[in-house]
This record gives sequence, C-alpha cells and structure tokens, in this order.
Amino acid sequence: NAGVMQNPRHLVRRRGQEARLRCSPMKGHSHVYWYRQLPEEGLKFMVYLQKENIIDESGMPKERFSAEFPKEGPSILRIQQVVRGDSAAYFCASSQSGRSYNEQFFGPGTRLTVL
Amino acid sequence: DQQVKQNSPSLSVQEGRISILNCDYTNSMFDYFLWYKKYPAEGPTFLISISSIKDKNEDGRFTVFLNKSAKHLSLHIVPSQPGDSAVYFCAASVGLLMGWGKFQFGAGTQVVVTP
Repeated sequence: NAGVMQNPRHLVRRRGQEARLRCSPMKGHSHVYWYRQLPEEGLKFMVYLQKENIIDESGMPKERFSAEFPKEGPSILRIQQVVRGDSAAYFCASSQSGRSYNEQFFGPGTRLTVL
Repeated sequence: DQQVKQNSPSLSVQEGRISILNCDYTNSMFDYFLWYKKYPAEGPTFLISISSIKDKNEDGRFTVFLNKSAKHLSLHIVPSQPGDSAVYFCAASVGLLMGWGKFQFGAGTQVVVTP
C-alpha cells in the first residue's frame, strides 16, 4: 500500500528554467494538495485539486505557477522561469475526500534549489 | 497573515518527562485542529486531531487540549521518548462539516528528547 509519491526528491534548476514536480496520490485518493515550505517557515497551502479540476488555488502565486491533476497520471506542479526565491521544499498531500476532518497524507517532498 | 502561530521554535526535554507544545490561532472560525510530526527529509505525518466541539482528545501518549476562549491549543507527550525528536506542526481549518480541508500551518516546533 504505497503512500504518496513525489518525484524528483531533489531538483536543481538555474534561474529562468522550468521546474516540474510530480505527485502520485495514495491509491483511492482523488484529492491532492500542494504546499510549499520555505526555510525556517511552516507549510503554506498553495492549491487543492481534484481529478481534472482546480478547487482552490488561493495560495498559488499569480504568475509562473500552475498545477494540474489530469484524469490519468500524477498531479503536476509547474514553475516557469524559476527565481531564487522559489527555492523551497514542495510537499504534496492527498486525501480520500475533501472534508477537513479527512486526514491528509503527505509525500516526502521535492526540494527545489534554484541556482 | 499568519493565523496559526507556534511561538517556540524549539523545545528540549528529557526522556521520560512531559513535552508540552503550544499553538495559538487568531481566526475564530477555525473549527478543526491537527498536529503533524515531521522527521528530516520526510513529509509530515498525522499525529492527532481535535474538533472545536471538544476540549480534549487523547491517543496513547499524545493528548491535545483546546481552549477556544483563549484561541490556544497544546499537545502533551507523556512520557517523551527519543523517537519523538522531530518537528511538530500545528494546523487548523475552517469548515468541519461543510468546507474542505484547507489547512493553515504553524511554523513548527523542533522537539529534542535527550537521554
């Protein structure tokens, strides 16, 4: 019973490049959440997706960031034209339903370093 | 706008003694609270939760207390064990039965349990 999978675990990009982070939710989970953790800070909500739908993207920066959760395949968080300030750990979580009392299971994270 | 605050970035406690972690929140609409534990290079794992209709929830060595009037919750770990050394995040959400689980996280408290 695999947990939430994220890849890559570490990603190094130069300024201006694109970063693509992947998240495969737990089996049977159709709700995916992305969080970002900047150094010395807590996790900040970015976006909540269900299959083929963005439910809440209120935590996403308005530019350069996008997310999708297609019918088939993993959820993707895409960061275009990365800048040094994008360096952070990006965590994906999944849950069986979107209700707040449903536990969110977290993946191990992708640590993005922008040179 | 940090709505969930963990004012102690670190806590050192002797093995066998009680660890008390504190969390304050500002949004009176929060009605569901959780604690997550995180080891280095791993994603957060769910520890314990409490809804606003309760003031205490216990699970083994872990007890969470909620004081709604003070907008404060705490996590007690008794007795503390070396394996409890980790970062603990407090999280809160709005909409226990209606909304979805958009969690607001605190910055975390690093717990070190010494022999």
